[in-house]
Amino acid sequence: GAVVSQHPSWVICKSGTSVKIECRSLDFQATTMFWYRQFPKQSLMLMATSNEGSKATYEQGVEKDKFLINHASLTLSTLTVTSAHPEDSSFYICSARTRVWDEETQYFGPGTRLLVL
Amino acid sequence: AQSVTQPDIHITVSEGASLELRCNYSYGATPYLFWYVQSPGQGLQLLLKYFSGDTLVQGIKGFEAEFKRSQSSFNLRKPSVHWSDAAEYFCAVANTGGFKTIFGAGTRLFVKA
Repeated sequence: GAVVSQHPSWVICKSGTSVKIECRSLDFQATTMFWYRQFPKQSLMLMATSNEGSKATYEQGVEKDKFLINHASLTLSTLTVTSAHPEDSSFYICSARTRVWDEETQYFGPGTRLLVL
Repeated sequence: AQSVTQPDIHITVSEGASLELRCNYSYGATPYLFWYVQSPGQGLQLLLKYFSGDTLVQGIKGFEAEFKRSQSSFNLRKPSVHWSDAAEYFCAVANTGGFKTIFGAGTRLFVKA
């Protein structure tokens, strides 16, 4: 089946630095990718929808200048957490949308755990 | 706006017993419905999905779910639970246009011996 990878799988950084997380669709092209964050023992909250070649659409309450999303190709989307602070520590999960046998299908990456000290 | 409600924060069942996890959704049209499972510290695994057609959907690992439009529900069931089923289960709804997926709060399943 289709695979979505994320890199890195975990990252620890100092407060004030920026962190980039990559999301790749390995064996299919994804016109749309989604970024979620998940706090411990909570559900996934959609942060933004990323379309290849255009600006991302952010959900209400998500700071677009803090969470920069770039979808430069049909297989790669990146999320950059700028000037990270401890409250940005979370589990970030991406997903990629594609069409399989005339059905829309969404595949999720394994997640990236970010810890900001 | 679409939304998903999972009324049970956690459920405990005995190994070998049957399981039903509840999910109610709110969406103006016929939604895409999903059940995902997440083990601690892991990503999501799709158990099953409903787009159209037969309202009883079979998934992996012996799970099934039934779409009931009149009740706006999509409950997940398994006839006999195994200890390895202990995990967090998320119900989700996606709009048929942009495929924006909204997740429920999740139900944590505990399995006792």
